[in-house]
Amino acid sequence: GQNIDQPTEMTATEGAIVQINCTYQTSGFNGLFWYQQHAGEAPTFLSYNVLDGLEEKGRFSSFLSRSKGYSYLLLKELQMKDSASYLCAVTDSNYQLIWGAGTKLIIKP
Amino acid sequence: ETGVTQTPRHLVMGMTNKKSLKCEQHLGHNAMYWYKQSAKKPLELMFVYNFKEQTENNSVPSRFSPECPNSSHLFLHLHTLQPEDSALYLCASSQGQGGQETQYFGPGTRLLVL
Repeated sequence: GQNIDQPTEMTATEGAIVQINCTYQTSGFNGLFWYQQHAGEAPTFLSYNVLDGLEEKGRFSSFLSRSKGYSYLLLKELQMKDSASYLCAVTDSNYQLIWGAGTKLIIKP
Repeated sequence: ETGVTQTPRHLVMGMTNKKSLKCEQHLGHNAMYWYKQSAKKPLELMFVYNFKEQTENNSVPSRFSPECPNSSHLFLHLHTLQPEDSALYLCASSQGQGGQETQYFGPGTRLLVL
């Protein structure tokens, strides 16, 4: 079967750095998405990786290793507003989007 | 504001009621989606429409009935629901259909079935 694994919950301190991991086992690979979802709000697009390596976008970076079936989202200089759930999703060989259950990130002062 | 709106935002209904959820996208996209989001579970894709035509129905019970009158509007008609159907129902749209397309989500309808 197809599976996306990410931690259920993480806690970090304001101003620090946090890394949210995502591992996947899917039938093929055609890209990986990260979305952010604040409580009670719509998921919003953060990043899309299709090639190996690190993509940096301001305070957020996303890394992909296709050989390891692994990605991470790196958040720097954490702010209270970064408290949210972070959803990892993989596009398989049939161009179906497979979703993880999300990681709830709690930022403490 | 993602360009996708959903109404109502909250809905409480009995198991014998009939209600409808509405989604509208202002992005000029061609594909629209209904998802079910339950606590601590992955998003469950329910239906996909591309150019108003239904292209996917992921074994969704018939008590959920989608309708897509045009590329900008999507409805989910609900009848004789069960308590386990209580969840957040999200609508999304994308330029084209396919897992490589970025999807834009609405804020969802929080549904409680009593």
